[in-house]
Amino acid sequence: EAGVAQSPRYKIIEKRQSVAFWCNPISGHATLYWYQQILGQGPKLLIQFQNNGVVDDSQLPKDRFSAERLKGVDSTLKIQPAKLEDSAVYLCASSSSGLALGETQYFGPGTRLLVL
Amino acid sequence: AQSVTQPDIHITVSEGASLELRCNYSYGATPYLFWYVQSPGQGLQLLLKYFSGDTLVQGIKGFEAEFKRSQSSFNLRKPSVHWSDAAEYFCAVGSYGQNFVFGPGTRLSVLP
Repeated sequence: EAGVAQSPRYKIIEKRQSVAFWCNPISGHATLYWYQQILGQGPKLLIQFQNNGVVDDSQLPKDRFSAERLKGVDSTLKIQPAKLEDSAVYLCASSSSGLALGETQYFGPGTRLLVL
Repeated sequence: AQSVTQPDIHITVSEGASLELRCNYSYGATPYLFWYVQSPGQGLQLLLKYFSGDTLVQGIKGFEAEFKRSQSSFNLRKPSVHWSDAAEYFCAVGSYGQNFVFGPGTRLSVLP
């Protein structure tokens, strides 16, 4: 079974530029999550999708971050414009339904973003 | 608000020694508890989880964890550490209707 795929693996941009990350979850998984992991910290949930609908985006900085999952499969996370403090690893995860309590989330390798 | 603490930022043990990584949580509801491991350049891998039943949970790679409600703890243990266990370990807590929250992580180094 293929895992969660993410691209690119690394990205370096200058502040005020735009950047987009792509995630393809495990086949058949209804729920998709985007996390931000700043160096030395644990991952922080940015947004959770259930199929193509948003379940929780309370911690997403909506003035600069956006995410979509149009067909309920893969997803794109965008930052526009980027700030220095956006430098982090962006992790995508998926789970089969997102509805079962204690359901396992499976993580991709992450995209490491450096904003100069 | 829910929170997860991992008091040890960095732990160093010798190969073959026992290991205990601490995790404490503050949660209003019945928590669901997880331990993940993150090797350099890799995504997070689930080691084990607890949401009901026996408070001693067995996981992959020889790890186990014990849920102690009275101490609000979910410490991870391994009787004999291998060099390949060197990684970052994250405790995470979830609950019905609540966001999934990760602790800050504990970095484990293993001496030969």
